[in-house]
Amino acid sequence: GAGVSQSPSNKVTEKGKDVELRCDPISGHTALYWYRQRLGQGLEFLIYFQGNSAPDKSGLPSDRFSAERTGESVSTLTIQRTQQEDSAVYLCASSLAPILASTGELFFGEGSRLTVL
Amino acid sequence: AQSVTQLGSHVSVSEGALVLLRCNYSSSVPPYLFWYVQYPNQGLQLLLKYTSAATLVKGINGFEAEFKKSETSFHLTKPSAHMRDAAEYFCAVRFLSGNTPLVFGKGTRLSVIA
Repeated sequence: GAGVSQSPSNKVTEKGKDVELRCDPISGHTALYWYRQRLGQGLEFLIYFQGNSAPDKSGLPSDRFSAERTGESVSTLTIQRTQQEDSAVYLCASSLAPILASTGELFFGEGSRLTVL
Repeated sequence: AQSVTQLGSHVSVSEGALVLLRCNYSSSVPPYLFWYVQYPNQGLQLLLKYTSAATLVKGINGFEAEFKKSETSFHLTKPSAHMRDAAEYFCAVRFLSGNTPLVFGKGTRLSVIA
């Protein structure tokens, strides 16, 4: 597609429920990133996918968080048993090349705003 | 430890006044540096980047930033603020030691007063 597409744009859920957030990167971009943006905070790195390599999961805050990506296409971020502190905007980004082969410029989607009641 | 700091969570300027948003990083190796802008209800958009070429970098919408190694800074400036510049601005750093993604500052919200 022309840009990074994320869905849903807004999600309100009850504490304890599971949620899935979807990201469709720019066509041809091999690298995909998930960041979390909590109110008043910067962007917090969650996970990074590069082609068929094992993802870098070093930023995932707990085992309730997981993400998958099929090849170089869509990615899904899953949060199980949501807590109120999970409320944030979840941003997906993609880039044309892997981290070490690029300057690091990322192209972002508009984000999925998650509210946990 | 490698880190990035944006001084001031909120900056307010009058229309036509100078915009100065501050960013400092902590690293023994000069990194790649970026400024992103986030308009309300939109994703982040790249304003400009420094990747070891010219230290004065010009970006979109009249913004520019200067990399100063001695000060470990990459402050963002614009000579004359416009109402449409009101947004959240993020400094981001790609540290070159290791396979790490961009590290973002906490952001500075710019308000422009008519």
